[in-house]
Amino acid sequence: QSVLTQPPSASATPGQRVTLSCSGSSSNIGSNYIYWYQQLPGTAPKLLIYRNNQRPSGVPDRFSGSKSGTSASLAISGLRSEDEADYYCTTWNDSLSGWVFGGGTKLTVL
Amino acid sequence: QVQLQQSGPGLVKPSQTLSLTCAISGDSVSSNSAAWNWIRQSPSRGLEWLGRTYYRSKWYSDYAVSVKSRITINSDTSKNQFSLQLNSVTPEDTAVYYCARDASGGPLFDHWGQGTLVIVSS
Repeated sequence: QSVLTQPPSASATPGQRVTLSCSGSSSNIGSNYIYWYQQLPGTAPKLLIYRNNQRPSGVPDRFSGSKSGTSASLAISGLRSEDEADYYCTTWNDSLSGWVFGGGTKLTVL
Repeated sequence: QVQLQQSGPGLVKPSQTLSLTCAISGDSVSSNSAAWNWIRQSPSRGLEWLGRTYYRSKWYSDYAVSVKSRITINSDTSKNQFSLQLNSVTPEDTAVYYCARDASGGPLFDHWGQGTLVIVSS
C-alpha cells in the first residue's frame, strides 16, 4: 500500500489531453514539493516535473504539473504514442522522514 | 554529463548481505549540492526509496524506516562512488535496485543508474 495514491490505469487517444492524479496528506504533498517520473518498460524512471511544476531541460512543454492542497496532477497534452508508460509521483514525507512514491499509473495511448 | 554505473551480484542467498556499488562520473560523491540515493522496485512493493548519503561539511546518511535496521549506505571518495549494503535479506528483498542522484534543492532523482536485478534465493 503506497503512501501516495495514484489510479492504476488511464487511457486516452492520440492528440488528447490526459490528467493523472496523485493524492496524499498534510505530512507529504500538503507540505512539500511534488515530483513526477515517466518509466518506459525495462528502463529507469525519468524525471518529468520537479518542484510541482518545473520541467527539466529536454522535457517537452506538453507535460505540466500542478499541486493543490494534498493533491497533485500531471497533465499531458497532445498525447503521443510514445507517452505510453508508467507515471509515478513522489514527495518527501515529514512523518516518515523519507521520500515516498505513488503506486504509479499505467497510461495507455489507444 | 552525470552518469551512474552500478555493479554487484544479481543473486544473493537468504540471510546473507546484498551489496551494490554505484560509480559516479560527471559529479562528485562529496558535492555539497547533491545527495546519493538507493531506490528499489518490485511488483509487490512498487518504487521504494531506501536511503541516501550526502556531504555537508561532514557525512550524513538517512534511511527508510522499513529497512533502517538492516541497511548501510557508504561513500568512497577515492573512487567517487557510493555503496549499498542490506543485511539479512529475504525473498521479499528481490527487486531491481537503482542508484540515483538528488540535486538538492532542485531536480530530485535527475540521474539514475541502469538498475540491477537482485534475486534473493537459495
